[in-house]
Formats: sequence, structure tokens, C-alpha cells
Amino acid sequence: KQEVTQIPAALSVPEGENLVLNCSFTDSAIYNLQWFRQDPGKGLTSLLLIQSSQREQTSGRLNASLDKSSGRSTLYIAASQPGDSATYLCAVPQRKLIWGLGTSLAVNP
Amino acid sequence: KAGVTQTPRYLIKTRGQQVTLSCSPISGHRSVSWYQQTPGQGLQFLFEYFSETQRNKGNFPGRFSGRQFSNSRSEMNVSTLELGDSALYLCASSSPQGDGYTFGSGTRLTVV
Repeated sequence: KQEVTQIPAALSVPEGENLVLNCSFTDSAIYNLQWFRQDPGKGLTSLLLIQSSQREQTSGRLNASLDKSSGRSTLYIAASQPGDSATYLCAVPQRKLIWGLGTSLAVNP
Repeated sequence: KAGVTQTPRYLIKTRGQQVTLSCSPISGHRSVSWYQQTPGQGLQFLFEYFSETQRNKGNFPGRFSGRQFSNSRSEMNVSTLELGDSALYLCASSSPQGDGYTFGSGTRLTVV
């Protein structure tokens, strides 16, 4: 049974820091992994999708890596800004999306 | 292209009533799935529809039901509402090409 874990649960950093969010999964037989962002009370915005054959994906200041053998993915945010404050969730599809509980990020000016 | 559209955005209902939520997927997407999000439980899978057929179902009571129409639009219905049904209901659509899921803005349901 696939389980997804995200650490840390919460993170507070000063503006400008580079930071890493972690996502681990128990079953390495994944099709892909998707990172989402959620602002309070809002829907989910897809940030990056990494296919199982890929090692990483980049979009602007975001970079996501995938290591299937170790069951891990990381989301790297460069030069963080207050507007990055949100909850970040990772999910893997297995007949439905299996979710981590998210990392709540606060970037302080 | 237009994203996933969920209506209404907000709903306030009384215990015992029923409610219907709507989701229009991205054009060309035939798979629609529904999730419930609450602060205590996180994101929980309700069901998935593909080409008008329920393909997968989560562990929710029979009060929760859904359907999909020939144009891929989907509705979910909750009957005999309980206070615990208060949540953000999220709909997602996906394509067979495996390019991930796209979510709507959600419907915030409050049961009083």
C-alpha cells in the first residue's frame, strides 16, 4: 500500500533563502509524481510533474527531483519570496492520488 | 485553454438537506475525480469517473454519490448533510496521456 510522507510539516524562513521540501513514498513503482501548491482556502495549483523516467523538472525558481530507488522527491525553491508562502503537497497516482499531508511554508519579509 | 471549473464556490446548507456540486473538466479530459479536504483528515478520495462510468470509489458512505455526463462534466451529490460534511470539495481532471491532474478552485461547503 502506497504511503506518502512529507517533511517538515511546517517551515518558516526569512526572505531570500533557498529551501528544500521533502516527499517520500513507500512503493517505488510509481508512474509519476506531482507537486502542488495550495493557498489558504483555495484550490490546488500544479507546480511540477515528474514522470517516472525523469530525474528532475524545473519551472522558474522551482526544481523538483525524483529518485525512485530511494522513494524520494525533493522540491527546491530558490531565493524564496513572501509570495511563496503556502502549503506544498506532493502526490503519486495509484488508481487515485495518494497524498502527503503537506509542508506549510511561511516566508517572512 | 480553460481550466477546471467548479460551481458554486461557496455553499451554506442546513443539516439534513442535500447538495449538488458541479465540475467541468478541461476540454478533452474524460477523467474526473473528486476529493474532500478537511483540516483534520487532509485530502480524501471520493470517486473517479471516466467516460460516464465510475472507475474507482473511496471509503465514503452512500450519502455521497456522483455521476458524469456525456460531455464529461461531473456532479457529486451529498444527501442528508451532516455537520462533518463541512469541507472543501475539490475536483480534478486528467487525460490518458499521463500529464498529471489539474484541479479546480473547489467548492467550500458549510453545513450548519
